[in-house]
Amino acid sequence: EPEVTQTPSHQVTQMGQEVILRCVPISNHLYFYWYRQILGQKVEFLVSFYNNEISEKSEIFDDQFSVERPDGSNFTLKIRSTKLEDSAMYFCASKAQGENSPLHFGNGTRLTVT
Amino acid sequence: AQSVTQPDIHITVSEGASLELRCNYSYGATPYLFWYVQSPGQGLQLLLKYFSGDTLVQGIKGFEAEFKRSQSSFNLRKPSVHWSDAAEYFCAVRNTGGFKTIFGAGTRLFVKA
Repeated sequence: EPEVTQTPSHQVTQMGQEVILRCVPISNHLYFYWYRQILGQKVEFLVSFYNNEISEKSEIFDDQFSVERPDGSNFTLKIRSTKLEDSAMYFCASKAQGENSPLHFGNGTRLTVT
Repeated sequence: AQSVTQPDIHITVSEGASLELRCNYSYGATPYLFWYVQSPGQGLQLLLKYFSGDTLVQGIKGFEAEFKRSQSSFNLRKPSVHWSDAAEYFCAVRNTGGFKTIFGAGTRLFVKA
């Protein structure tokens, strides 16, 4: 069964540094998402992306965050200047066409900001 | 605004016992409803989904869920729990025509021998 893959599985960075989290969604999916889960807390929606543009974003997704689909297969999340509170598990998800299609998640990237 | 409430932070059941995990949602119309499971260090795996029609839906791993419009609930059930079911369970909702799926806070299931 096709999978969403995320790299790296764990990223450690210093406060103020830029990080790029990478995702390869399922190939025929058209909708792409990033979610965040701070340790022990709920899974929070960050952003959705469709037709090469952001379709919806949350209050968490401020100017420090950006997403890109640079080459038709990868879907990236960039954090420009990381803060300690950005430490979390970041999940990428993709969805097929069709209103009732569910999200398919990757295994996540654990980001640790020191 | 949409919201999803899972009132139980954690639940402990004995292996072989039945399980019910509660989920309530707040939304004006009938949304799309999902249950996901997350094992430690893993992503979220879809257990089942409800869109319309029969209010009792079957999922993978022997799970089922029942949509009750009058109670705005979508509780997850399993008749006999196995030790491998120990995980975190998330209820989720997406409004019709929307892009965003919102998750509840999760219920951690512990299974004792």
